[in-house]
Amino acid sequence: DSGVTQTPKHLITATGQRVTLRCSPRSGDLSVYWYQQSLDQGLQFLIHYYNGEERAKGNILERFSAQQFPDLHSELNLSSLELGDSALYFCASSGRALSYNEQFFGPGTRLTVL
Amino acid sequence: LAKTTQPISMDSYEGQEVNITCSHNNIATNDYITWYQQFPSQGPRFIIQGYKTKVTNEVASLFIPADRKSSTLSLPRVSLSDTAVYYCLVGEPGNNRKLIWGLGTSLAVNP
Repeated sequence: DSGVTQTPKHLITATGQRVTLRCSPRSGDLSVYWYQQSLDQGLQFLIHYYNGEERAKGNILERFSAQQFPDLHSELNLSSLELGDSALYFCASSGRALSYNEQFFGPGTRLTVL
Repeated sequence: LAKTTQPISMDSYEGQEVNITCSHNNIATNDYITWYQQFPSQGPRFIIQGYKTKVTNEVASLFIPADRKSSTLSLPRVSLSDTAVYYCLVGEPGNNRKLIWGLGTSLAVNP
């Protein structure tokens, strides 16, 4: 158990819909990272927040947005969902700002778009 | 853009030493090289990290040459439970701090 929690574990929705994925980092960790993993794309970095501020942005679509709240939990919002958005979405946390610091991954949210 | 290259897959047998090499050009001068392990349907797990030369911990060794354009993860005496995907992670140069993950190497350890 990494100490990172993600909800929900599974999510099934339809194209065009909007969903919110939630992540609670390890106690004391200020950085939260979001990743998308689909079968044909491997692990794709989406975005990194540190202490409430966006630190780095990866291949995140405009239909996706994220934020980190004052209590340090983070949410990833996915809108106008397409079939290709079906994937495992991982959240990771680390104690510091720099991306190379050891990241602790949550169990993931499996999103299925029908 | 920084890019990493790893073998797509490797096969080994229990008890053997396995070396997985990752090539990474244009790595930032102040970035570390990090390796993660991932089992199916689980999040990746940190294995080892280094900046240059050699780093060893209880599960693996990491060799990084002076030019830092590659790194080699060494797993001594692998077991069936080491069957997983191994990712090499480096940071992209510049202020964006974008993380670059390789596609990973799928290691299969056979009895």
